[in-house]
Amino acid sequence: KAGVTQTPRYLIKTRGQQVTLSCSPISGHRSVSWYQQTPGQGLQFLFEYFSETQRNKGNFPGRFSGRQFSNSRSEMNVSTLELGDSALYLCASSPLGGGQPQHFGDGTRLSIL
Amino acid sequence: SQQGEEDPQALSIQEGENATMNCSYKTSINNLQWYRQNSGRGLVHLILIRSNEREKHSGRLRVTLDTSKKSSSLLITASRAADTASYFCATGGSGGYQKVTFGIGTKLQVIP
Repeated sequence: KAGVTQTPRYLIKTRGQQVTLSCSPISGHRSVSWYQQTPGQGLQFLFEYFSETQRNKGNFPGRFSGRQFSNSRSEMNVSTLELGDSALYLCASSPLGGGQPQHFGDGTRLSIL
Repeated sequence: SQQGEEDPQALSIQEGENATMNCSYKTSINNLQWYRQNSGRGLVHLILIRSNEREKHSGRLRVTLDTSKKSSSLLITASRAADTASYFCATGGSGGYQKVTFGIGTKLQVIP
């Protein structure tokens, strides 16, 4: 089985722009979660999608949004980028969520200039 | 704020030695998980221990859980250079919701 695939791996943007990151979960996994990882804050939960519905949301501003498609693939969008959005964005999937072990992609490294 | 907090934040040992990392958390849990992250990569799930378990083994890994103290420890025996990575504990995700909270991690360096 292919693992979790995140694209692109690296991205450079400037302040004020917007960005869309993509995540393809393991086949058959219906739960997809997104995390932001920074040296200062560690891993912060962004949101979880299950069967195309946002099931849980972390404490991030509305500039961060996501969606999930019928094939379980997920996208995350960040609008009006700020310098502080520079981070590694990780996507993780599991069959049903609910505390099951998650399978992570290698992330998208986003740098804001 | 982080639910789990690992201790120590950094650990350097010689190959062949044992490495012990600790995790403390704040609220009651259904299970606790440990993950490993190699530099620049995603996290890899290592082991899950349920709240009604006290100890679990997987290869060279031994995890203990003390729910009365809200703490867990991860022991890696006979460490290898390939064990060099950051290790995170994670809690949460109960009731069908995957709002899992990670600690800040322990950075382990195993010197050959």
